[in-house]
Amino acid sequence: SAVISQKPSRDICQRGTSLTIQCQVDSQVTMMFWYRQQPGQSLTLIATANQGSEATYESGFVIDKFPISRPNLTFSTLTVSNMSPEDSSIYLCSVESPGRGDGYTFGSGTRLTVV
Amino acid sequence: GENVEQHPSTLSVQEGDSAVIKCTYSDSASNYFPWYKQELGKGPQLIIDIRSNVGEKKDQRIAVTLNKTAKHFSLHITETQPEDSAVYFCAAMRGTNNNDMRFGAGTRLTVKP
Repeated sequence: SAVISQKPSRDICQRGTSLTIQCQVDSQVTMMFWYRQQPGQSLTLIATANQGSEATYESGFVIDKFPISRPNLTFSTLTVSNMSPEDSSIYLCSVESPGRGDGYTFGSGTRLTVV
Repeated sequence: GENVEQHPSTLSVQEGDSAVIKCTYSDSASNYFPWYKQELGKGPQLIIDIRSNVGEKKDQRIAVTLNKTAKHFSLHITETQPEDSAVYFCAAMRGTNNNDMRFGAGTRLTVKP
C-alpha cells in the first residue's frame, strides 16, 4: 500500500492565522482525500482533490476556508484559513490503496490547536 | 446519503476474551465495508475489509461478518491482547465512487491485562 508523509504532525496556532498542511505520497494516485477528525469524534470528509482540477468540497466546507492544492499525482496541501478555536482538530489526508481493495491509506495526521 | 451507525461507543474486555463491534448502514447500494484501527496519535489503519458478495472474512484473530439483508456488519476480535486497545471505525462505501466513504462514530476498545 502507499506510504504517506504528512507534515506538520502538530501545531499550535494563533486565531486569525492560517496553516498549510502537506501530504506527500510515495506513489502516483488519482484521488487524494482530506478529512477532519474533531476530538473524540469520527472522520468527516472535507474534500476530494484530483490532480489538474479544482477540489470537490463536501457540504459544510468551502474553498475560502479550506483551500486545497494538487499540483501533481503525489502531493497535495490543505490550508486552514483564518483559524478559530473551533478549527482545533486532527486533519488527515488519505489515498486509495491499490492492491488493498478499495480501502484508503491514511497519513498520520496533523493535530492542530488554535489558541 | 449513507448513514453508518456503530455500537458500542466504548468496550472493555479482559485479555483473552472476544470483542464484537457492530455497525449498520442505510444505503443498500453500498458494497464495500472496511474496518480501521486508530491508535493514539496515529492515523487510521485498515485492518480488514469485506465486499457485499461475501458473508464472512477472517484474518488470524480478526473476522468480519456481513448481513446484506439486514444491512449490518460486525467486527470480531478473538483472544484479545492489550495491543488491540485502540479506537475502531467501521465504514461503508459504494465501490464505484471512492469519495463516498462514510465512517461510523468509532468504538474505543480497552483490553485489560
